[in-house]
Amino acid sequence: EAGVAQSPRYKIIEKRQSVAFWCNPISGHATLYWYQQILGQGPKLLIQFQNNGVVDDSQLPKDRFSAERLKGVDSTLKIQPAKLEDSAVYLCASSSLGAVESIQYFGAGTRLSVL
Amino acid sequence: SQQGEEDPQALSIQEGENATMNCSYKTSINNLQWYRQNSGRGLVHLILIRSNEREKHSGRLRVTLDTSKKSSSLLITASRAADTASYFCATVLSGNTPLVFGKGTRLSVIA
Repeated sequence: EAGVAQSPRYKIIEKRQSVAFWCNPISGHATLYWYQQILGQGPKLLIQFQNNGVVDDSQLPKDRFSAERLKGVDSTLKIQPAKLEDSAVYLCASSSLGAVESIQYFGAGTRLSVL
Repeated sequence: SQQGEEDPQALSIQEGENATMNCSYKTSINNLQWYRQNSGRGLVHLILIRSNEREKHSGRLRVTLDTSKKSSSLLITASRAADTASYFCATVLSGNTPLVFGKGTRLSVIA
């Protein structure tokens, strides 16, 4: 089966600019996650969707970050305006709904550099 | 905040040797998972161990879980250069909840 697709792979922007990332999860996976991974650290959850509803966005900096998952499939994550500290890899993951022991499948990520 | 703490932060071994990584966590969990991340890539699931299990094997991987000490270990036997990667433990508190990752162990296997 096809894996989690993310684009772009790399993005370089200047601070205060806007940027958007796209994710297409594994077909049939109801749950979608966006993680932020700063260099040298483990991924940190930004937002979790179940179908097209938000389950957890407690760690999403809502003054500058937004995410949507229209139709419960693809998702976009946007940063507006970007700050230097937003430089990180943004990982999208998906899992099937209902499994207590859900395994998450990750995309390759988008590496963002904010100059 | 991150739930797990891996130890050591970095590990360098010769090909053929065994590699052991440890993970400690803070709260009760439903299960604990180990993931591998090659440089510049996404994470790949390696193994899941439930809170009522003590040991699990998958190929050259052996995972142990001690819920009384809130710790887990990952053993990679007969390591290969291709095992060079960062290894993360991640805890699941309940249900379909997000993974909470540690900072990872960077493993270098020298041929």
